[in-house]
Amino acid sequence: LAKTTQPISMDSYEGQEVNITCSHNNIATNDYITWYQQFPSQGPRFIIQGYKTKVTNEVASLFIPADRKSSTLSLPRVSLSDTAVYYCLVGVLYSGSARQLTFGSGTQLTVLP
Amino acid sequence: GAGVSQSPRYKVTKRGQDVALRCDPISGHVSLYWYRQALGQGPEFLTYFNYEAQQDKSGLPNDRFSAERPEGSISTLTIQRTEQRDSAMYRCASSPGRRESDTQYFGPGTRLTVL
Repeated sequence: LAKTTQPISMDSYEGQEVNITCSHNNIATNDYITWYQQFPSQGPRFIIQGYKTKVTNEVASLFIPADRKSSTLSLPRVSLSDTAVYYCLVGVLYSGSARQLTFGSGTQLTVLP
Repeated sequence: GAGVSQSPRYKVTKRGQDVALRCDPISGHVSLYWYRQALGQGPEFLTYFNYEAQQDKSGLPNDRFSAERPEGSISTLTIQRTEQRDSAMYRCASSPGRRESDTQYFGPGTRLTVL
């Protein structure tokens, strides 16, 4: 199964903008791209979702290029409470037309004071 | 309202025993998903249901794993003849719509340890 890859970790300081990219070369044509946040000992929590171009909500923005082979989660002005693991979730094609929901490898974001 | 609940929260079993993990989704949610998450890794898709119909079971590792959702609400993931490699956090999620891209709401998980 093709991998959905993310940087393992990122550090940032409070108040900065953070951009986390997910590579998904074999994304299924009709699939949305969804990002989740996970704190230790908790289940993932929805952040944002998009299909193409740019989506913005009250907590984040999501940038998706035309070929949809990657996506970038942007967190404006991060705070200490944004320290967490961030995952992308996409439908990935394998073995022809078969697809499977696949979480990315996850990025540990650490926000420093 | 209540979120997704899972039971038991922790399960320790001996190799070769069968285990049943329960998921109680958010009331009215159409879709229910099962994932397995190893420490330090992202959730790995196992299977999902729309109402009582199992739509995709391509992620189940082998025939020791099965899942059911007979009345379209509570679901049970069963692992037969457990092996040590089955040890992981098992997570359930539900979503209000039928599409796999709908927002999923995750439960707290069941930590399974096979000795």
